[in-house]
Amino acid sequence: NAGVMQNPRHLVRRRGQEARLRCSPMKGHSHVYWYRQLPEEGLKFMVYLQKENIIDESGMPKERFSAEFPKEGPSILRIQQVVRGDSAAYFCASSRRTGTGNTIYFGEGSWLTVV
Amino acid sequence: AQRVTQPEKLLSVFKGAPVELKCNYSYSGSPELFWYVQYSRQRLQLLLRHISRESIKGFTADLNKGETSFHLKKPFAQEEDSAMYYCALSETQGGSEKLVFGKGTKLTVNP
Repeated sequence: NAGVMQNPRHLVRRRGQEARLRCSPMKGHSHVYWYRQLPEEGLKFMVYLQKENIIDESGMPKERFSAEFPKEGPSILRIQQVVRGDSAAYFCASSRRTGTGNTIYFGEGSWLTVV
Repeated sequence: AQRVTQPEKLLSVFKGAPVELKCNYSYSGSPELFWYVQYSRQRLQLLLRHISRESIKGFTADLNKGETSFHLKKPFAQEEDSAMYYCALSETQGGSEKLVFGKGTKLTVNP
């Protein structure tokens, strides 16, 4: 099992451009989560998705950010018109289910730098 | 609001010394707590969870509901333990599940 795969690992964007981060969950996992880690901060929850559904987007900024997890293909975190404050590590995670005893597995992260 | 506090940003010990990484939480229900470890720029890995009460790589953590703590301990630190350690609790609400993380403690084990 290859684990949670994220790409790109590193992405540099100029202010105003779009950033697309991709995440392929572990095989057999239908629950996907995105977290953001700002410098000197812990990981902050952004969004929780199941196939074709956004379950909880309470941690997503109201503008410019969107996420999807289509029936086929990876989950995508999209940031439009990036600003310097979007520079962070974005971690995707996946799990087979939810509830007590559930294990959430993390990818290696995508580091976004906005210049 | 649910919160996880790791009061030490940095912790430095010598090889062979005991180590304790502190974690306190606030949670209105019955919490499920975890420790994750992140070696230099690698993925977060689950180290242990309180419900399994197991020891991984010599680390243990006991949930103390009275003190709302879940401190991570190891009696004899090794150099390869140097990493970022994150305490987290699982918050389940309205069909959603998310992890709430502390800010992390960077452990350095010196030779």
